Amino acid sequence: ELKVEQNPLFLSMQEGKNYTIYCNYSTTSDRLYWYRQDPGKSLESLFVLLSNGAVKQEGRLMASLDTKARLSTLHITAAVHDLSATYFCAVEGSNDYKLSFGAGTTVTVRA
Amino acid sequence: DAGITQSPRYKITETGRQVTLMCHQTWSHSYMFWYRQDLGHGLRLIYYSAAADITDKGEVPDGYVVSRSKTENFPLTLESATRSQTSVYFCASSESLGTASYRGAFFGQGTRLTVV
Repeated sequence: ELKVEQNPLFLSMQEGKNYTIYCNYSTTSDRLYWYRQDPGKSLESLFVLLSNGAVKQEGRLMASLDTKARLSTLHITAAVHDLSATYFCAVEGSNDYKLSFGAGTTVTVRA
Repeated sequence: DAGITQSPRYKITETGRQVTLMCHQTWSHSYMFWYRQDLGHGLRLIYYSAAADITDKGEVPDGYVVSRSKTENFPLTLESATRSQTSVYFCASSESLGTASYRGAFFGQGTRLTVV
């Protein structure tokens, strides 16, 4: 069974500072996804990482994938209030499009 | 409108009743999924479908039934609702990886189901 662990589960950020969310998974996979969810809303796709060493950036967010270490990171640069949300990583275990999700990291950005 | 839509958005039902959650996508994506989201459990896969008339169980299928007679629709039925099925249900669809525009799964707005 594929297990996906995120940490931290809660992250209080100060505006302007940098932070990292970690996503570890238990079995070999080279397909990993990051989603954002605002309270009471659906999940919005942020990044699709499909190979070892993949790095994607969008605005203040950057995601990377190390398939050998079974680790992905989501780096936040100079946090701003608009980034307050819950962030999920999700992993495909068998290249079958089925996702196993981490528990999510709830991010709160304070002034 | 293009996209993936779920109905109803909110539903309250009684224990033992049958209830069907609807999911419709306009992209002609091959793959469709049902997930449930619960505090403390994150999102868990209930059922998925790789194409019309092809469905398979996910992590938590007990008490649920799905069908997919048309590519665009993937209804989820709770045969006899229980309180433990109180949850937020998300439908999702995905195209195949080989497409240039591949962005993984797209999620519907969710259905908040309460079983009393």
